[in-house]
Amino acid sequence: GENVEQHPSTLSVQEGDSAVIKCTYSDSASNYFPWYKQELGKRPQLIIDIRSNVGEKKDQRIAVTLNKTAKHFSLHITETQPEDSAVYFCAASMRGGYQKVTFGTGTKLQVIP
Amino acid sequence: EPEVTQTPSHQVTQMGQEVILRCVPISNHLYFYWYRQILGQKVEFLVSFYNNEISEKSEIFDDQFSVERPDGSNFTLKIRSTKLEDSAMYFCASTMDRVPNSPLHFGNGTRLTVT
Repeated sequence: GENVEQHPSTLSVQEGDSAVIKCTYSDSASNYFPWYKQELGKRPQLIIDIRSNVGEKKDQRIAVTLNKTAKHFSLHITETQPEDSAVYFCAASMRGGYQKVTFGTGTKLQVIP
Repeated sequence: EPEVTQTPSHQVTQMGQEVILRCVPISNHLYFYWYRQILGQKVEFLVSFYNNEISEKSEIFDDQFSVERPDGSNFTLKIRSTKLEDSAMYFCASTMDRVPNSPLHFGNGTRLTVT
């Protein structure tokens, strides 16, 4: 089955700096890659997603890139703010699957004011 | 914006007891799921449900687990005989269509504590 690796596990940045979180996946059949943000004690919330026919997608300060050949994808947050502090999960979903979204192990991002 | 709702928010039970976690999916959605998250760990897929039957399940979803859509609005997860290692946050989700046509959105979760 699919395996999603994520790093780093923790990341501290100064407010205003950029943060990058990287993930790799194992199954070339995966074609959908969402990113979730989870604040302490709350549900994971979808912040951005990308499909395998797209190499990059941007939404304001958040961008995601996908390299299908290398089977890795990354989340980029620019101009970080304290409210960006949370745990971020990458995930992958296989073509034809009903809904088995496989999550990475998470990155705890701390933005220092 | 409509949301998936889950009850209770926190459930404490003794080992060996049965628990039922309840979810009300978004009303016009057709696909339903349960995921769980052990404290401090990643979110793990348990089961997906479509057209009144399980469409996919993980290795975690063994014979102790069952799901049901007893009426037109509820979707339940039953754990027959709870174990300490079942302690986790359980998230329900629903979608109109298959991922990625309909991205996965979670309810607020039920924290299950098995003592």
